[in-house]
Amino acid sequence: AQKITQTQPGMFVQEKEAVTLDCTYDTSDPSYGLFWYKQPSSGEMIFLIYQGSYDQQNATEGRYSLNFQKARKSANLVISASQLGDSAMYFCAMRLENNFNKFYFGSGTKLNVKP
Amino acid sequence: NAGVTQTPKFRVLKTGQSMTLLCAQDMNHEYMYWYRQDPGMGLRLIHYSVGEGTTAKGEVPDGYNVSRLKKQNFLLGLESAAPSQTSVYFCASSAQRGGKDTQYFGPGTRLTVL
Repeated sequence: AQKITQTQPGMFVQEKEAVTLDCTYDTSDPSYGLFWYKQPSSGEMIFLIYQGSYDQQNATEGRYSLNFQKARKSANLVISASQLGDSAMYFCAMRLENNFNKFYFGSGTKLNVKP
Repeated sequence: NAGVTQTPKFRVLKTGQSMTLLCAQDMNHEYMYWYRQDPGMGLRLIHYSVGEGTTAKGEVPDGYNVSRLKKQNFLLGLESAAPSQTSVYFCASSAQRGGKDTQYFGPGTRLTVL
């Protein structure tokens, strides 16, 4: 069975500091993608970053980077220089490429950025 | 280009009532999905569709039915609503290809069953 685990229900970070949100996954499928989404209080799901299982380099998108450690099955999100607008729920998700692009989501981490 | 839209945005039902949630996408995506999101939990897949006229069960399908009569629309039905179905419902769509392409989400429907 596929599983995504986010062990940090809530986190605080000081504005302008970096923060790491943890995500571990479990699958026997060799071909998969890992995604992070941001969900602000308004409720919409905002795509942040993607990492493919065969990608050799860690993905980066602006202030977001994904620390992908395949052997440990972890895909941690790093947000550099936190901003007040980063306060939101963050979800890690895994997509199985050979299974109709179905997504499996973690339970989320609530990030609060303090001024 | 509206992306993924959901109707309605909010709804309150009494136990036993029925309703249909409508999802529409204008990106010509093959795949469409319905999720529910409960407090403290991530999104869980209810049903999905890989093309017009096809549907399949996801993780938590009980109490729901779906139909995809047109490629751009995916309907989620509750035949006899129960308080346990109080949740936020998200529709999503994606292209058939994988890779970097993400799922595109609608704005969500907040459903309360009394």
